[in-house]
Amino acid sequence: IAGITQAPTSQILAAGRRMTLRCTQDMRHNAMYWYRQDLGLGLRLIHYSNTAGTTGKGEVPDGYSVSRANTDDFPLTLASAVPSQTSVYFCASSDQDNNEQFFGPGTRLTVL
Amino acid sequence: GEDVEQSLFLSVREGDSSVINCTYTDSSSTYLYWYKQEPGAGLQLLTYIFSNMDMKQDQRLTVLLNKKDKHLSLRIADTQTGDSAIYFCAGLTGGGNKLTFGTGTQLKVEL
Repeated sequence: IAGITQAPTSQILAAGRRMTLRCTQDMRHNAMYWYRQDLGLGLRLIHYSNTAGTTGKGEVPDGYSVSRANTDDFPLTLASAVPSQTSVYFCASSDQDNNEQFFGPGTRLTVL
Repeated sequence: GEDVEQSLFLSVREGDSSVINCTYTDSSSTYLYWYKQEPGAGLQLLTYIFSNMDMKQDQRLTVLLNKKDKHLSLRIADTQTGDSAIYFCAGLTGGGNKLTFGTGTQLKVEL
């Protein structure tokens, strides 16, 4: 693994189903983030984690949950998916001493 | 909270200069960033400027910051077809490490 990876690459999901998007980084970054990207709205922060064991709500947290059991992994869960959660989801990480955020390749999620 | 705005689309001819503009609302933004997103990919940091700077130049890229007007611009000299992408500006507000992104400007470079 080099950098930050996300899985799956894309997914089509029926409304009401539970889904977990995976994110893993091997850079030992303290902070991790989940964004959703929608046309005309840019990237909006869903949840973040400043360090393992802590999480916080971003701009659009409703319908999503996260956990940060260790430094490397930051999964995003949709407990009961709805069509408005159709989007491209990006995970990112940053070091506490360097504000640059490194982004994963994204997960394209379609909720029908 | 911070609000960051950009125009949605810019078209230029190859070899010309491109100027992508961004306005922000939070005067306490400490860092301002420009990210590039190529089709089907994640975002990559292009450059950034600290709030106490007016200008930063990095090869073909020039960032100008007008703190009074809360205006940020990215100039790409000698624009090439490989520069076609979506460009996002983002602001980092003081006391945290969360970025607020603009809506993105799609740059199209025509031959």
